[in-house]
Amino acid sequence: GQQVMQIPQYQHVQEGEDFTTYCNSSTTLSNIQWYKQRPGGHPVFLIQLVKSGEVKKQKRLTFQFGEAKKNSSLHITATQTTDVGTYFCAGGTSGTYKYIFGTGTRLKVLA
Amino acid sequence: EAGVAQSPRYKIIEKRQSVAFWCNPISGHATLYWYQQILGQGPKLLIQFQNNGVVDDSQLPKDRFSAERLKGVDSTLKIQPAKLEDSAVYLCASLESRANEQFFGPGTRLTVL
Repeated sequence: GQQVMQIPQYQHVQEGEDFTTYCNSSTTLSNIQWYKQRPGGHPVFLIQLVKSGEVKKQKRLTFQFGEAKKNSSLHITATQTTDVGTYFCAGGTSGTYKYIFGTGTRLKVLA
Repeated sequence: EAGVAQSPRYKIIEKRQSVAFWCNPISGHATLYWYQQILGQGPKLLIQFQNNGVVDDSQLPKDRFSAERLKGVDSTLKIQPAKLEDSAVYLCASLESRANEQFFGPGTRLTVL
């Protein structure tokens, strides 16, 4: 079945350093979503990417969808302690509203 | 706008017992999901409803798990009988279809002893 993997599994950074998580799907996706889950919380929607090669920015966050629509990345510039949490990608299948979540990257930011 | 409501928030049961979880999605959201999130893993889709019909339940262990959404609004997820490996957080989400955005409830943390 379809699998969505993320690397790295964990990342510890000093506050102010950059952070990137990578998401790879075993199949071509129709779209990809990114979610953030704070410790003890539930996933919160960040963004959706639909087009091949699409790049979107939200303040210090930059999201990219690969040309082949099988991979994506999330880059955070100058991390802050408020960025702590686990970041999940979720791959969407064409013609459905079904999403397969990735394995997640847990980010810790050291002040 | 009220969010997705779930109850109970926590549940502790013995193995082989039964348990049920309840979800009330955001008003007007036709698509509802139940996910299982084991500690340290990503949410795993158990079942997807569109109104009161099942769209996908390929990952639902049907020998012990069941779910319904009778009137296309509230939903319940039941486990009977529970196993130790069912210990997880059960998340309900509903979909805002114009933006394709899933809104998650706070989840029910199940511990099976």
